[in-house]
Amino acid sequence: DGGITQSPKYLFRKEGQNVTLSCEQNLNHDAMYWYRQDPGQGLRLIYYSQIVNDFQKGDIAEGYSVSREKKESFPLTVTSAQKNPTAFYLCASSIGSGRNEQFFGPGTRLTVL
Amino acid sequence: GQSLEQPSEVTAVEGAIVQINCTYQTSGFYGLSWYQQHDGGAPTFLSYNALDGLEETGRFSSFLSRSDSYGYLLLQELQMKDSASYFCAVRGGTGGFKTIFGAGTRLFVKA
Repeated sequence: DGGITQSPKYLFRKEGQNVTLSCEQNLNHDAMYWYRQDPGQGLRLIYYSQIVNDFQKGDIAEGYSVSREKKESFPLTVTSAQKNPTAFYLCASSIGSGRNEQFFGPGTRLTVL
Repeated sequence: GQSLEQPSEVTAVEGAIVQINCTYQTSGFYGLSWYQQHDGGAPTFLSYNALDGLEETGRFSSFLSRSDSYGYLLLQELQMKDSASYFCAVRGGTGGFKTIFGAGTRLFVKA
């Protein structure tokens, strides 16, 4: 089955530790995205990638880093520089053309203690 | 930059019609999308407008007026399962890859 997966579903970390969230897709999509969602809020764009080995900052990139070494994978690292990292993180992918429908993974709920 | 405004909450009864409005500001507009998200779940795509006019997909329709920077999502024959959050999202930036979401409209459907 084609889809987009994120792991783990729940993640707990101590303050000051870096943590990497996984995102994999087998939809053969060129574009991938990372969003952050806080309770009762909309999705805020962290980073996006149009193609392998290329990515751009979204509106809230500070304290985050990404890589796009493979078409299928777009991991997000939440660094210790991110002041308020506890949130729901959603990864998405899209063809990158036409209506550019984004397909979302199930999300990772990160709690920093 | 890009920004969107939509109502925070809407309440309607089962079987009714509800309209969720969205106004936006963006540079390099490529299109307006709508997504649905149930509590604890991931957003799912509903509709997309790149040109002015109405797009119909079953019980859901979406409208766009580019000159007014305005769109709406119309939900007909409301069902209890339509209770969810609805987000408008605008594509902009270079190549239209940068997608910015509104804060979402929480729809409550009552029996």
